[in-house]
Amino acid sequence: EPEVTQTPSHQVTQMGQEVILRCVPISNHLYFYWYRQILGQKVEFLVSFYNNEISEKSEIFDDQFSVERPDGSNFTLKIRSTKLEDSAMYFCASSAGQGVIANEKLFFGSGTQLSVL
Amino acid sequence: KQEVTQIPAALSVPEGENLVLNCSFTDSAIYNLQWFRQDPGKGLTSLLLIQSSQREQTSGRLNASLDKSSGRSTLYIAASQPGDSATYLCAVTQAGTALIFGKGTTLSVSS
Repeated sequence: EPEVTQTPSHQVTQMGQEVILRCVPISNHLYFYWYRQILGQKVEFLVSFYNNEISEKSEIFDDQFSVERPDGSNFTLKIRSTKLEDSAMYFCASSAGQGVIANEKLFFGSGTQLSVL
Repeated sequence: KQEVTQIPAALSVPEGENLVLNCSFTDSAIYNLQWFRQDPGKGLTSLLLIQSSQREQTSGRLNASLDKSSGRSTLYIAASQPGDSATYLCAVTQAGTALIFGKGTTLSVSS
């Protein structure tokens, strides 16, 4: 069964460093997303991406964050200068067709646990 | 601002019991509602999606209902099994691409 793949599974970084989280969405999907979950808190939306541009972003997704689809298979989230409060599990997701608003299910990866020291 | 609440936060039941998980949302203007399962250290798996025009969806031992006007959804799990132990999340879609999640109900089924 097709799945969303995320690498690495764990990432430890020093405060102020740049990190890139990588994702390979399901191959025929058109919408891509990043969510995060701080320990003990709700899963929070960061950004959605469609047709090579950001479709929607949350207040969390400030200038320190960026997304890119550098080739036909990868989807990345970059945090330019990490802060302690960026420590969280980051989930990549993808959906077919026109996305969740068209009643398409989301398929999530297993996540990257980011620890900022 | 949409708020999604799930009650109870945790639930422990013996194997074989039927159970109901609750989800409520403050703004009834939703496009759909999804129920997810989250296993420790793993991603989220979509279990059921209910469109705003639907009242319920069923998949195997799972049945989800939606009462949009009252801002409520329930996930019914029949004949629970130890393998059902996980955290169950509900999430709604409004006018956009973002899912808004509840905090989840952590279910433990003992054999």
